[in-house]
Amino acid sequence: QKEVEQDPGPLSVPEGAIVSLNCTYSNSAFQYFMWYRQYSRKGPELLMYTYSSGNKEDGRFTAQVDKSSKYISLFIRDSQPSDSATYLCAMRGQAGTALIFGKGTTLSVSS
Amino acid sequence: GAVVSQHPSWVICKSGTSVKIECRSLDFQATTMFWYRQFPKQSLMLMATSNEGSKATYEQGVEKDKFLINHASLTLSTLTVTSAHPEDSSFYICSASRERGTGVTEAFFGQGTRLTVV
Repeated sequence: QKEVEQDPGPLSVPEGAIVSLNCTYSNSAFQYFMWYRQYSRKGPELLMYTYSSGNKEDGRFTAQVDKSSKYISLFIRDSQPSDSATYLCAMRGQAGTALIFGKGTTLSVSS
Repeated sequence: GAVVSQHPSWVICKSGTSVKIECRSLDFQATTMFWYRQFPKQSLMLMATSNEGSKATYEQGVEKDKFLINHASLTLSTLTVTSAHPEDSSFYICSASRERGTGVTEAFFGQGTRLTVV
């Protein structure tokens, strides 16, 4: 089993839809959880990060972490065509260790 | 957010030659930098962890003699692909970490380098 599992999609939704992106992981030592957005041929950009379990909201984005289930989610409300990109979940253990990434989910929002 | 600059953004080289990729943190000091490789429609795969002033730690399966990493200062790390072959063609991305002081480490990524070996 890979450390981080993420459905690659593609996921196609109409403008205005609520999008749910998810990752599961196997390493219970992971403490920090992040979501990155990556446009084609660009480096990833950090969207949100959370520490341990709980929810975090930032504008149209909400990140959820359930450590008991080893499951994290990113919700995008009122999706826009500009949200079309690949979304990568990433996580790591203690400070100084590298991020371990999911495969990324390709999202397409049509107007 | 902090800025990480990676150069060049794309390079085409002949088989057998070496290519150097630079990664700079422009407005913060990064004690740790990471190098990733990404194949089309695949996730970022960690190649090595680089700490300033010490030897890089390579992931299993990554040839350290082929992918030379130098972390000469707190703002610069370089990856040199030596004797490149077509199978080395990929998207290489560096990442620099910054501790926020709240226990959270942020990772900022360079723009990536598209290497094509012909």
